Formats: sequence, C-alpha cells, structure tokens
Amino acid sequence: GAVVSQHPSRVICKSGTSVKIECRSLDFQATTMFWYRQFPKQSLMLMATSNEGSKATYEQGVEKDKFLINHASLTLSTLTVTSAHPEDSSFYICSALGGRNSPLHFGNGTRLTVT
Amino acid sequence: AQKITQTQPGMFVQEKEAVTLDCTYDTSDQSYGLFWYKQPSSGEMIFLIYQGSYDEQNATEGRYSLNFQKARKSANLVISASQLGDSAMYFCAMREDNDYKLSFGAGTTVTVRA
Repeated sequence: GAVVSQHPSRVICKSGTSVKIECRSLDFQATTMFWYRQFPKQSLMLMATSNEGSKATYEQGVEKDKFLINHASLTLSTLTVTSAHPEDSSFYICSALGGRNSPLHFGNGTRLTVT
Repeated sequence: AQKITQTQPGMFVQEKEAVTLDCTYDTSDQSYGLFWYKQPSSGEMIFLIYQGSYDEQNATEGRYSLNFQKARKSANLVISASQLGDSAMYFCAMREDNDYKLSFGAGTTVTVRA
C-alpha cells in the first residue's frame, strides 16, 4: 500500500527556535498534502492544505507566518514551526492524497515538545 | 457546523465480542465518501474501510464492516471478534466530492478486555 514517511518522529526544542518537519510520499505522487495538529485524546485539526508548486491554504485561526508550509515537489511537503513556544507542543501529522477516490495516507506523526 | 458526529467517547468490549462504533454525518452533497481510521497509542493513523455514497453494498474489510444507512446519514463501524490489538482510538471521517479535505469526528476510544 501507499506509504507516507514523516520525519522526525519526535523532537524536543528550546523556546524561540524553529523546527522543520518533513512529509514524503514514498511510492506515489501527491499533488495535495494536508497538515494536522492533534492534542491528546482529541481529534485531528486540519491546519493547512499544501499543493505542489503553489502557496498553502491555511485554515481559519492558523498563523501562516508561524507554521510555514512548503510543497516543493510531488513527493515532499515540509512544515516549519517558527519561533516555537511551549504552547506549540503537540502531535503534528501529515497526510497525502494519492488520487481523488483514494483514502488519505498518513505519516506516523511528529511529537513536538518545546521547552 | 459539525459534519461528523461520534457520540461515544469511550467503549469497553470483551475480547472475541463484536463492537459497533456510531458515526453520523451531515452533508447536502449527493456524492461523498466515508472513511474509518484507527489510531493506536503510537499515533499513526491506519486506514480501515471506505464507503462511497453511491455504493449499494455495505463495505467490508476482514473483521471490519460498515453499516451504511444513507437515509439516516449514519456510517457505523462494526468490529467483529475483537482482539486485544484493537484497543485504540477510532475516527470516522467524510470527504465531500467537491473538496479533497477530510472532516473528522471526535473519535471513540475502544478498550478490549481479556
């Protein structure tokens, strides 16, 4: 089946630093990728939709300057959390769309802890 | 407005028994897809089963089956012969055909007891 690789799986960083999370589709081309944030025991909250070669579309309430998304190729999207603060600590998970009628394939997520 | 409603925050089920997870949805579109995902404590999202709005048969995948009642806008997941490894959070999701985004429900935590 389709595989989406997300890296790193865990990261601890200091307040004020930036963290980059990568999401790769390994065996298919993904024109569209999605970035979600999840708090413990809660549902996935869509942050933004990433389209290859164009600017990401952010959901209401998500700061685009804080969460920079780049979709440079058909197999790679990155999320950079800039000037991270402890309240940015969360589980971030990406997904890739392989085709209109196919399910979303998810990465394994990144647990970010900002100290 | 909430598009996907999962009313059961948590459920306990005995090993080898069946369990039904409720999901209702709200859409005015005629064409849409319904998905169920499993999320174990490790965090990955595992795709379980898909039902298209025009599919006349209920979807089945191994021990998973989807009880699709279109008129009631419900898409309940049935897990038969529960195993300890089924303990996880389960999410119902919908994608309307005019949009690539998935809308997720709040999730149901299933705990399988030996």
